[in-house]
Amino acid sequence: AQSVSQHNHHVILSEAASLELGCNYSYGGTVNLFWYVQYPGQHLQLLLKYFSGDPLVKGIKGFEAEFIKSKFSFNLRKPSVQWSDTAEYFCAVRGGGYNKLIFGAGTRLAVHP
Amino acid sequence: GAVVSQHPSWVICKSGTSVKIECRSLDFQATTMFWYRQFPKQSLMLMATSNEGSKATYEQGVEKDKFLINHASLTLSTLTVTSAHPEDSSFYICSARQQGPNTEAFFGQGTRLTVV
Repeated sequence: AQSVSQHNHHVILSEAASLELGCNYSYGGTVNLFWYVQYPGQHLQLLLKYFSGDPLVKGIKGFEAEFIKSKFSFNLRKPSVQWSDTAEYFCAVRGGGYNKLIFGAGTRLAVHP
Repeated sequence: GAVVSQHPSWVICKSGTSVKIECRSLDFQATTMFWYRQFPKQSLMLMATSNEGSKATYEQGVEKDKFLINHASLTLSTLTVTSAHPEDSSFYICSARQQGPNTEAFFGQGTRLTVV
């Protein structure tokens, strides 16, 4: 069965600091990978996705993620965070033969001015 | 991106009553819809997957008789919480996906259900 592990449950950063959120998945076949963001009181928004091709994926709001197949990882990065990035971030995976999207536990990011 | 509309956004009901939540894909045909439940400060837990015109597939531990899912058309799926109890209070989120291998799922804004 698919599973997703996010290592950091809470992250606190100052503005302009760099961000990296870890995401590992367990599934041996072809995968589609996603990062979603949920701002306080709002619904999920897609930050970026990986289906195939270039393993370095660029998303909205300056976020990027790198798919490393050998490590079963899809870490999210941003070189310089802003206060407005305060939100909860979810990594999700969909196995090639499966239809359903499985979410990690989420990482709550707080950015202080 | 495509729009998924969920209705109502919030609902309060009495214990023992049933509540229906609608999920509509507004500008695309959703061959598959998913229903999730999110507890406060926790992740989204997949409840069931529904394909248009067929029975929903429920995740382990989800009571199919309590959470009735209907996916009667390519743009509408409904989740009915039957005989609701306070422990059913939660945030319910639907998502919809077009057919095809490399398609993303779009999420509704969620429904906050409070059972009193």
